[in-house]
Amino acid sequence: EAGVTQFPSHSVIEKGQTVTLRCDPISGHDNLYWYRRVMGKEIKFLLHFVKESKQDESGMPNNRFLAERTGGTYSTLKVQPAELEDSGVYFCASSQDQFAGLHYEQYFGPGTRLTVT
Amino acid sequence: GIQVEQSPPDLILQEGANSTLRCNFSDSVNNLQWFHQNPWGQLINLFYIPSGTKQNGRLSATTVATERYSLLYISSSQTTDSGVYFCAVNFGNEKLTFGTGTRLTIIP
Repeated sequence: EAGVTQFPSHSVIEKGQTVTLRCDPISGHDNLYWYRRVMGKEIKFLLHFVKESKQDESGMPNNRFLAERTGGTYSTLKVQPAELEDSGVYFCASSQDQFAGLHYEQYFGPGTRLTVT
Repeated sequence: GIQVEQSPPDLILQEGANSTLRCNFSDSVNNLQWFHQNPWGQLINLFYIPSGTKQNGRLSATTVATERYSLLYISSSQTTDSGVYFCAVNFGNEKLTFGTGTRLTIIP
């Protein structure tokens, strides 16, 4: 079974440009999460999808970030326009659907390293 | 606010030594996971352990939820164990809150 995959693995863009990151979760996982680690800081939650719906987007830093999950399969995270402070590693994770209050293990992708110059 | 603290921040050991990494958290948890971030930056799942004790080869973990801490034990360390170890907890919603990590360096 394939794990969580992310594309691209690296992206270098100039300030003001647009970048779109993609995440493919583990097949059958309804929950999809985005996290990021900016330089020197801890890994922080951005948002959570359940199928195609945004369950929690409390971690999105500002309206330059737009996440979508059309059809409840893969997800994209667009940064427009990118700023220097957006540099870091963006991780995607997925987990099984929750039932009756059970919480399932999250599996992480390899991350996309974004550098804004 | 909700906090996850890991100690020590850095640990340097000789190959073959044993180590204990600690994770303290500020509230009751629904889920606790340990990860190893390898030199390529990938987060590798080690344990899903909201309570109790689990073992996987040279690694084991114990979470005492009532006392709000978890321990990760690494025995007979190898150079491939080097990297950053993260503890992450779910405090009742679905998002994971990560600690700042312990950087482990194993010297041959």
